[in-house]
Formats: sequence, C-alpha cells, structure tokens
Amino acid sequence: NAGVTQTPKFRVLKTGQSMTLLCAQDMNHEYMYWYRQDPGMGLRLIHYSVGEGTTAKGEVPDGYNVSRLKKQNFLLGLESAAPSQTSVYFCASSYTARGGNTIYFGEGSWLTVV
Amino acid sequence: AQKITQTQPGMFVQEKEAVTLDCTYDTSDQSYGLFWYKQPSSGEMIFLIYQGSYDEQNATEGRYSLNFQKARKSANLVISASQLGDSAMYFCAMRGPWNNNDMRFGAGTRLTVKP
Repeated sequence: NAGVTQTPKFRVLKTGQSMTLLCAQDMNHEYMYWYRQDPGMGLRLIHYSVGEGTTAKGEVPDGYNVSRLKKQNFLLGLESAAPSQTSVYFCASSYTARGGNTIYFGEGSWLTVV
Repeated sequence: AQKITQTQPGMFVQEKEAVTLDCTYDTSDQSYGLFWYKQPSSGEMIFLIYQGSYDEQNATEGRYSLNFQKARKSANLVISASQLGDSAMYFCAMRGPWNNNDMRFGAGTRLTVKP
C-alpha cells in the first residue's frame, strides 16, 4: 500500500539553489498539505490544497510555492533556498476536512541548506 | 488563533506501567477535533486517536485513551501497559471548524519506556 509518497527523502542544497519536493497520494484524496518540522517544535503548515488546481497559504508560507496540477500530486518548491529552510518536510492528505483519523502523512523529507 | 501546549518535553515510564501525556489547547471555536500522533525515531507520523469536541465519550483505541476535559481545554493521552516500542515523540494536534484546514501541532513530548 503506497499511501502518501514523498520524493526525495534526503537532499542537501546550497544557499540560493532551487528544488521541488514531490508528494503523491494514491487514495483519491481531495485535500493535500505540506508541513515542516523543526527541532523542538511540532509540525507547521506551509501550504495546502483543497482540490486540483487550488492552493492556499498556511501558517509559514514565505519562501515556498506549491502547485496542484493533478489531484494525486502536490509539489512544494523552494525558489531560493536559505539555511532557515533546513527542516523535515511532511506531506499529508485527507479526503475531507471533516472527521477524525482521515489525515495520512508521508514519511518525511530531510532537507539541509548549507 | 488556535494554540496547542504540551508542557512535558520528556517523560519516562517503566515498562508495563501507565503514563499520561498532557495536552492543553486554546480555541474560541465550538467545533474542533483533537488528535494524537506518534513519531518514532524513523520519522513517520502515526495516527493514534481522535476526539471530536462534541463527542460525549472519551475516545479509546486499544491501549490508548484520550482524557478529554472540555471545560479545562485539555486532551491528555493515556497509554496503558507501556511497551518498549512506545518510546517515541508524541504530538497533540487540533483542527478547527470543518471549513478550516489548518491543523495546529504542539511541540511534542518525548516518551522513553524503561525495561
């Protein structure tokens, strides 16, 4: 069972470089999310999408862009990476904003910006 | 704005004993959901238990139960009969009304189970 898959799992970037994290889900979920997790902190929402072709800002959107061209994919882009973006990034998806255990997380992507 | 507070950075428990992980929250919404996730050292986020703000009964899932005290705005996780495999980070999270997709997480509690 694939669920939510993130690529790449590990990446080292130089300051100023750009990159894209890919999130793919095979559960036909409408909602998709990108979070970042920093040491000593819980997950913080970067951007989310409530359906194909739509995106919205979360709690910490600056320095990131996202796209949802296909329902199953949610891309997170770093235009010009900064050391402050060193973090673990989690993608998640859900089929509705209602209800309880409907949010499924990927395994995380470790990004280091030097 | 919603806020989740976990005041215990680290907790220790003896194997086979019960442990309570604290979580308090702050919201002006009447409708919300509370979640607990487990994050082992491998990094994945594992859903444990959910409590809706209108649920009258405390949620239970196997060895996990959620002690929900709405008036005190607390949603503590109780793990009974701790196992070595329970050693992990535990996060409390809250989601607002159903048109709000912003799920807020606490800073987490690192639980260590001693043999």
